[in-house]
Amino acid sequence: ETGVTQTPRHLVMGMTNKKSLKCEQHLGHNAMYWYKQSAKKPLELMFVYNFKEQTENNSVPSRFSPECPNSSHLFLHLHTLQPEDSALYLCASSQDLQKPSFGSGTRLTVV
Amino acid sequence: GENVEQHPSTLSVQEGDSAVIKCTYSDSASNYFPWYKQELGKRPQLIIDIRSNVGEKKDQRIAVTLNKTAKHFSLHITETQPEDSAVYFCAASMATDSWGKLQFGAGTQVVVTP
Repeated sequence: ETGVTQTPRHLVMGMTNKKSLKCEQHLGHNAMYWYKQSAKKPLELMFVYNFKEQTENNSVPSRFSPECPNSSHLFLHLHTLQPEDSALYLCASSQDLQKPSFGSGTRLTVV
Repeated sequence: GENVEQHPSTLSVQEGDSAVIKCTYSDSASNYFPWYKQELGKRPQLIIDIRSNVGEKKDQRIAVTLNKTAKHFSLHITETQPEDSAVYFCAASMATDSWGKLQFGAGTQVVVTP
């Protein structure tokens, strides 16, 4: 384990549901990230938080809403998703802001 | 912004042979280039990285080379073993970019056959 824990590991949700993904890091890092990994596509950076402040939002639709209550916890709130949002969502953290350590991800399926 | 292209998308090698994955980047200001390995169902893990002030770095059977002029960098795996089978991702970013905006390549599926 690298010290970045994501829950749940798998999630199936309908397009009208509201759900949240959780990430916790035990590494003492001060930056946390959400990435989206789709089949045969590059990892896509979604959000970056540094010292709990959001510093990056890569044109992510508003149906994805991040929350970072402290430097150790990161959430991704989901609502009214589309089937094309099905993917592996990876959380990462770093102290040296160029070497993120990844969690195992949440495999999301939108039906 | 930065754009990273990675080739090939799939690579099959015989155990014991070498594997080479190549990436090109577009932003000449990029100066940090990590490589991640992702085994099936597992998280991406950093295996080696290089900064633009060096041209080559080696760690046991893995080496990375960087050509700043041509804006490309490569991962070399020698004496491949079945446990090297995984998807490998290259990435690029700028050291002055404080928020870790790594731009990733699309990945290379490496299959090592015994």
